[in-house]
Amino acid sequence: DAGVIQSPRHEVTEMGQEVTLRCKPISGHNSLFWYRQTMMRGLELLIYFNNNVPIDDSGMPEDRFSAKMPNASFSTLKIQPSEPRDSAVYFCASSRTGHNSPLHFGNGTRLTVT
Amino acid sequence: QKEVEQNSGPLSVPEGAIASLNCTYSDRVSQSFFWYRQYSGKSPELIMSIYSNGDKEDGRFTAQLNKASQYVSLLIRDSQPSDSATYLCAVRQLAGDMRFGAGTRLTVKP
Repeated sequence: DAGVIQSPRHEVTEMGQEVTLRCKPISGHNSLFWYRQTMMRGLELLIYFNNNVPIDDSGMPEDRFSAKMPNASFSTLKIQPSEPRDSAVYFCASSRTGHNSPLHFGNGTRLTVT
Repeated sequence: QKEVEQNSGPLSVPEGAIASLNCTYSDRVSQSFFWYRQYSGKSPELIMSIYSNGDKEDGRFTAQLNKASQYVSLLIRDSQPSDSATYLCAVRQLAGDMRFGAGTRLTVKP
C-alpha cells in the first residue's frame, strides 16, 4: 500500500502565478478529498469526489480554485491566479466508498505565495 | 455555529495520567466519528473510529459516543510524551463528506 501521494511537497510562488497541486489516491479508493489547513481556520474541506465525479465543491473559496479528477488514480487542485492568502498546507485524502470508511491522508503540499 | 467543535487547549497532563479530549457536533444525522492525531508538520493519522453509542477500546485509547448528546470523546490512558500532538475530531455524514474540528493540542510532560 503506497499511500496517498501528493506533489510537490513544497511550492513557493509569486502572487498572480498559477499553481497546480497533484494527488494520487490509494488504489481501490473511490472517494477523494481536498483539504486546506491553516492555523486560523483549521482543516477545511474544499471539495470531494466519488468515482471521479465532484460531489460537493461548496468549500472551494473562490472561482480562482478549481479541481479535476480525470481518472481514478489522479486529481489536481489548481489556483489561478494565486494570492498570498492562499498560503496554507493542502492535503489530499482518499477512502473507500461508504460513510464508515476513514480517510487516509497524503503528506500535504505546503504552499507559500509571496 | 461550527459543525464540529473541540476545546483548542492546550491540554497538559503528566506522564502516566489520563488525557480526556472532547468533541461536540451539530448535525444530528451524522453517521460516523473518527479521531485523528497530527504531529507538528505531519499529516493527520487515524487513531480510532466509532459508529454506535457507547465505548470502544483499542489499547490505551477509548472512544466514547453519545448520539443523544451529540458528543464524542477520546480517553488516552497512561499518557506518554510521544502522545503529545494535536488531536482532531472528525464527523462523516451519510453523504460522504468528512468535517474536522479545530483540534486539541495535547502536551504530556515527563
